[in-house]
Amino acid sequence: QQQVKQSPQSLIVQKGGISIINCAYENTAFDYFPWYQQFPGKGPALLIAIRPDVSEKKEGRFTISFNKSAKQFSLHIMDSQPGDSATYFCAATINQAGTALIFGKGTTLSVSS
Amino acid sequence: EAQVTQNPRYLITVTGKKLTVTCSQNMNHEYMSWYRQDPGLGLRQIYYSMNVEVTDKGDVPEGYKVSRKEKRNFPLILESPSPNQTSLYFCASSLTGGTANEKLFFGSGTQLSVL
Repeated sequence: QQQVKQSPQSLIVQKGGISIINCAYENTAFDYFPWYQQFPGKGPALLIAIRPDVSEKKEGRFTISFNKSAKQFSLHIMDSQPGDSATYFCAATINQAGTALIFGKGTTLSVSS
Repeated sequence: EAQVTQNPRYLITVTGKKLTVTCSQNMNHEYMSWYRQDPGLGLRQIYYSMNVEVTDKGDVPEGYKVSRKEKRNFPLILESPSPNQTSLYFCASSLTGGTANEKLFFGSGTQLSVL
């Protein structure tokens, strides 16, 4: 019940296309859903996050869509660029001090030029 | 520059030889944590610390120790490393560990190989 299931494991998208990464969770107590971006040789960095009181959050070309009833959320990268090539992790947690982020297994995105 | 610094960047050791991976942050964060990253398994939390002298187990604490004697430092200790601890390790910190709307800052990682 603590798992966050992420798909696909890898993704190849043409430059200018839309990249979509999906995550699903079981624990209905989760109330904070961040996405982290990791470039090779670097640590993950927070990209965008959403709370369950909204169905969508957009920051530039990055959008999180959230479906509370389906217990699913997804990251959409519009106009994907080669510089977006990275590993993306979704995560979930309960908004409570000290509660660990539960990460998905990651999606390696390659954007071809 | 605000950062989480881990050392060493790469480490090759042999089974049973005690080692320490250091982690330091300069942001006066209360919360610090260690993760390991393995192919196909994502990031899994090893230990975390809410503040000085306060540490707690994460999801995969077996074979690891930590200490938090100072706010800025959170070393990861492997007293008797085994090959299944070969992994990429990340230290992370955040202001209070309250998670919501709070960014978790990661170090650049330590690639450990245990032969």
